[in-house]
Amino acid sequence: KAGVTQTPRYLIKTRGQQVTLSCSPISGHRSVSWYQQTPGQGLQFLFEYFSETQRNKGNFPGRFSGRQFSNSRSEMNVSTLELGDSALYLCASSPSAGATGYTFGSGTRLTVV
Amino acid sequence: ILNVEQSPQSLHVQEGDSTNFTCSFPSSNFYALHWYRWETAKSPEALFVMTLNGDEKKKGRISATLNTKEGYSYLYIKGSQPEDSATYLCAPRGGGADGLTFGKGTHLIIQP
Repeated sequence: KAGVTQTPRYLIKTRGQQVTLSCSPISGHRSVSWYQQTPGQGLQFLFEYFSETQRNKGNFPGRFSGRQFSNSRSEMNVSTLELGDSALYLCASSPSAGATGYTFGSGTRLTVV
Repeated sequence: ILNVEQSPQSLHVQEGDSTNFTCSFPSSNFYALHWYRWETAKSPEALFVMTLNGDEKKKGRISATLNTKEGYSYLYIKGSQPEDSATYLCAPRGGGADGLTFGKGTHLIIQP
């Protein structure tokens, strides 16, 4: 059974650019969540999608957005990148939201220069 | 956004010894408590999801308890092995429109 796949694994972008990250959940999982991990802040919740609808959103500026497609694949977009957006972005999927454990992908390491 | 505290921040334990650590969270509006293990260069791995007060869950040498009334959970590791070295994260989930709120974790190092 394939795990959660995130692409790309590594990305270097310049301040002011935008970036799109992709996440393919485990087959049959309808819930996809995104997290940002930085050394100082730990894992912080970005947003959660279930059946193409954003169910929850963390405390991040509007530059961070996401969407989920009918096949449950999800993308997150960050516009007007700032140096502080450099982080590991993790995606996690689950059959349902919150009641079962999440399976995490390997993450996308974003560096903004 | 929930205030989640994990203690201790780091822990060195001799191989074969047992250990435990704590996760504290607000007891109001509780829905579920997740525990994850995060080994270096890997992805976080789900250990337990607990929902009921008094819940106890076990997976091999690792077990967890939950007290939703006072807002804490303990994770126990019996007979620590080097492969238990990892960061252990807890994440409560409220009943509202919030996702998981992760604590900063307990970094466990097992010394042979």
